[in-house]
Amino acid sequence: GAVVSQHPSRVICKSGTSVKIECRSLDFQATTMFWYRQFPKQSLMLMATSNEGSKATYEQGVEKDKFLINHASLTLSTLTVTSAHPEDSSFYICSASSPGRNTEAFFGQGTRLTVV
Amino acid sequence: AQSVAQPEDQVNVAEGNPLTVKCTYSVSGNPYLFWYVQYPNRGLQFLLKYITGDNLVKGSYGFEAEFNKSQTSFHLKKPSALVSDSALYFCAVRDKPGGGADGLTFGKGTHLIIQP
Repeated sequence: GAVVSQHPSRVICKSGTSVKIECRSLDFQATTMFWYRQFPKQSLMLMATSNEGSKATYEQGVEKDKFLINHASLTLSTLTVTSAHPEDSSFYICSASSPGRNTEAFFGQGTRLTVV
Repeated sequence: AQSVAQPEDQVNVAEGNPLTVKCTYSVSGNPYLFWYVQYPNRGLQFLLKYITGDNLVKGSYGFEAEFNKSQTSFHLKKPSALVSDSALYFCAVRDKPGGGADGLTFGKGTHLIIQP
């Protein structure tokens, strides 16, 4: 199957700083990428849909100024958590989708963010 | 709106016995159903999908799932469980075939524990 690479896998940052998470599609062009958040022992919640060359679409309740998404190329989307606080600590997972590929989504390895 | 229910938080099965992880869904149009598996601190791995065609779908690692339209269910099954099958399993649905701009809606996940 297709490969989606997410980096970093773990990050610890101080409260008030910003953290950038990268999601790359390694062997296909992803016109659409998705960012999910997963709390401990809970399901994945879709945060936003990232479209190459245009603004991301955020789900209700997700602060777009806090979770900045950039999809500057067909192989890279980034999620920046700005002015991070301890309540932002979570597991963030990206997935990629592209027209013409199989209908399943391909997921990155996830990023464990801890804000101290 | 679409939704997925996984009624069991945890399923315990003895190694070698058959296993079932339950999933029911609600979607306004045609359902496109997926099962994913997640190991600790990792992203999601695709197991199988139902798009159209035969109701019994075979996937990775010996797993299969049966689409039942009348019961709106898509239970995951395996004839003989392995200890290595122990993980967190997610059922997901979308009302479009994919390769497009719509993220998946996930169930809350079911912990599958296979006892030696």
